[in-house]
Amino acid sequence: AQKITQTQPGMFVQEKEAVTLDCTYDTSDQSYGLFWYKQPSSGEMIFLIYQGSYDEQNATEGRYSLNFQKARKSANLVISASQLGDSAMYFCAMRPPGGGTASKLTFGTGTRLQVTL
Amino acid sequence: ETGVTQTPRHLVMGMTNKKSLKCEQHLGHNAMYWYKQSAKKPLELMFVYNFKEQTENNSVPSRFSPECPNSSHLFLHLHTLQPEDSALYLCASSQEGGLAGHTGELFFGEGSRLTVL
Repeated sequence: AQKITQTQPGMFVQEKEAVTLDCTYDTSDQSYGLFWYKQPSSGEMIFLIYQGSYDEQNATEGRYSLNFQKARKSANLVISASQLGDSAMYFCAMRPPGGGTASKLTFGTGTRLQVTL
Repeated sequence: ETGVTQTPRHLVMGMTNKKSLKCEQHLGHNAMYWYKQSAKKPLELMFVYNFKEQTENNSVPSRFSPECPNSSHLFLHLHTLQPEDSALYLCASSQEGGLAGHTGELFFGEGSRLTVL
């Protein structure tokens, strides 16, 4: 079974500063995918970034980067130059192996990020 | 048209009512999902449909009945619900069986917030 742990229920960051949201995972699979989603108050889950377990380089998407440490089973999200619009819930998720099967993602409990002036 | 549309956005129902949640995806995807999001709990996968066939039922009570008439539409029929079923119900879609290296990320709707009195 797969498990995602997000130990920070809430985080504060000042505008323009960088922030790291923690995510650790537990799996016995060798092949898996890791995702981060953002959920603003509107409710929609917005895909931010993806890291494959065999990817040698850390994923980056604009201001988002994923600090992937496979041996430690961690996949922390780094948001650089925080903006007020980054205030939201952030979820880490894992996809098991199995090409061609549906994306049965397992989610963590989330971290609420609040960006302040 | 937004990618994944859910209606209604808000629903209040009594325990003896029968109602339905609707989801429509305009992305040409072949897999659709229902997730339940309760306060302070990880998202729970309820049902998965792949090419209109149900491939996953995560021990969901029979008072929740999914229907997938085609690859673009997904319904969740509700009857004799309990107050603990109050939650945000999120629909998602993805494209499965694609090229090697595709991430298979889920695209979510904004959710239907259900309150059971």
